[in-house]
Amino acid sequence: IVLTQSPDTLTLSPGDRATLSCRASQTIASVYLAWYQQKYGQAPRLLIFGASNRATGVPDRFSGSGSGTDFTLTIDRLEPEDFAVYYCQRFASAFGGGTKVE
Amino acid sequence: EVQLVESGGGLVQPGGSLRLSCAASGFIFSNYWMSWVRQAPGKGLQWVANINQDGSQKFHADSVRGRFTISRDNAKNSLSLQMNSLRDEDTAVYYCVRTSDFSFDIWGQGTMITVSS
Repeated sequence: IVLTQSPDTLTLSPGDRATLSCRASQTIASVYLAWYQQKYGQAPRLLIFGASNRATGVPDRFSGSGSGTDFTLTIDRLEPEDFAVYYCQRFASAFGGGTKVE
Repeated sequence: EVQLVESGGGLVQPGGSLRLSCAASGFIFSNYWMSWVRQAPGKGLQWVANINQDGSQKFHADSVRGRFTISRDNAKNSLSLQMNSLRDEDTAVYYCVRTSDFSFDIWGQGTMITVSS
């Protein structure tokens, strides 16, 4: 399975909404789709599991949606700490190439 | 506090071997699948291997199968990755990761492996 994330880079301002896409080369069960955030010099952090479930401690401005081959991570009202790289992943398999939110 | 701490990284020559370790604390280690994920400098994330709770099931990415072996010692709350026949392209930060709900919910800080002559 190949995961393609778009866009590669998203240039936004604090307060904006970010919409990140993850497209799979074949159908993925939603339970296996996760999103991660990685800030520079840090380990990744789980944001969303099962396509739409927020991980513990993740603010509700982060939301995940989608099914089949098309999945979306939405960040409402960007905060300064949200500017980072975001990866989608099919569990224990491919990661997408990442989207940088700057 | 739930914590994963990797060790064993360093510089190794092509063709050499290295063993990574990960010490787990703050949770019941034997209840979880565990994984290794790596990230080459300036690149994205790559799943490397995972292992089930009692070590009876192990899966490795195609790029490392036959060269790397994941293992665990539940008595010592420890995860390991034995890496043989190392190549330049194995240069990366290696993360120890806890697996839950089909996702990687807890990450270590990572340990750097550099394969170079």
